[in-house]
Amino acid sequence: DAKTTQPTSMDCAEGRAANLPCNHSTISGNEYVYWYRQIHSQGPQYIIHGLKNNETNEMASLIITEDRKSSTLILPHATLRDTAVYYCIAENSNSGYALNFGKGTSLLVTP
Amino acid sequence: NAGVTQTPKFQVLKTGQSMTLQCAQDMNHEYMSWYRQDPGMGLRLIHYSVGAGITDQGEVPNGYNVSRSTTEDFPLRLLSAAPSQTSVYFCASSYGGRKTQYFGPGTRLLVL
Repeated sequence: DAKTTQPTSMDCAEGRAANLPCNHSTISGNEYVYWYRQIHSQGPQYIIHGLKNNETNEMASLIITEDRKSSTLILPHATLRDTAVYYCIAENSNSGYALNFGKGTSLLVTP
Repeated sequence: NAGVTQTPKFQVLKTGQSMTLQCAQDMNHEYMSWYRQDPGMGLRLIHYSVGAGITDQGEVPNGYNVSRSTTEDFPLRLLSAAPSQTSVYFCASSYGGRKTQYFGPGTRLLVL
């Protein structure tokens, strides 16, 4: 599984777009990028995943660079409820069951 | 759908006691797993199951047992609780082994 690097913490003003970066320079061709978040004291929540194309769903957008060495999760209009730890995970979907959660990025959305 | 449910929400044990953490899902997911999360740490996989009757060890299996007699339930047993097992325990499930997993609300365990 590819190692991912994320900033420890970020701030974002409510209503603004939150752009959370992730570096995965050693990612291999069959490894997907998954994003989860964990709101304080709750279980992790799946957000989005992608292989090489940009993806969008009702929660967020995922932008993956053409060389796939990095990606950005975009929350288009952050709310206070988006304050959470965001985990970027790069794994082969067939490599076994475990998700390798690292330390993630602690996002604070401020009024 | 209730999704993934866990009971109890909070438990205090004395060293040496045993207990079972319950996990159930109503999504007909084949895959279920248990993670633990220690303060300031990421989640670590304890045990997982790819279907009824099939279980396997994760990264930190020592001190824990699991069984999977039905698709819906995946209980985690602590045989003889130790203070090092103080943690928050999350159960997760997914369909087809994919890594888009659904997590329960967690059980907070304190071992004195």
